[in-house]
Amino acid sequence: KAGVTQTPRYLIKTRGQQVTLSCSPISGHRSVSWYQQTPGQGLQFLFEYFSETQRNKGNFPGRFSGRQFSNSRSEMNVSTLELGDSALYLCASSLFGSYNEQFFGPGTRLTVL
Amino acid sequence: QKEVEQNSGPLSVPEGAIASLNCTYSDRGSQSFFWYRQYSGKSPELIMFIYSNGDKEDGRFTAQLNKASQYVSLLIRDSQPSDSATYLCAVSSNTGKLIFGQGTTLQVKP
Repeated sequence: KAGVTQTPRYLIKTRGQQVTLSCSPISGHRSVSWYQQTPGQGLQFLFEYFSETQRNKGNFPGRFSGRQFSNSRSEMNVSTLELGDSALYLCASSLFGSYNEQFFGPGTRLTVL
Repeated sequence: QKEVEQNSGPLSVPEGAIASLNCTYSDRGSQSFFWYRQYSGKSPELIMFIYSNGDKEDGRFTAQLNKASQYVSLLIRDSQPSDSATYLCAVSSNTGKLIFGQGTTLQVKP
């Protein structure tokens, strides 16, 4: 089986812009979770989608949003980018959700200038 | 108190020794516990999961869970230099979120 794929792998944006990141889960997995990883804060949960519905949300501002399509692919959008949004954004797929094993994609490295 | 706590390390062990990594969590309703390994510049890789009290062994890795003490650990036997990485403990909370600790850096010296 192919693993979790994320595109793009690297992004450079400027403050105020918006960005969309994409994640394709492992075939058959219906849950996609998104995480932000920074050296200072570690891995922080953004949100989880299951069968096109947001099932859970972390403590991030409304500038961070996401969605999931019928084929389980998911996108994450960050609007009005801030310098502090520079991070590695990881998505993870699982069969049923966070209580199941999750498998991570390679991540998208976002740099905000 | 952080929801999931780990000693950041670095934990340094000689090659061939047993590395012991520890994690405590605050949510008594937590049901699922995971250990991920993350090499520098790479994404986390799942190495062990445990749901029930006791030990679970997989090759050189043993995960131990004690729900009464809210404690989960990972033992790595016959540590190899290739085991040098950051080990992340993750706990599935009763709110359905997967909460990660800050990770413990393990250094295995030849």
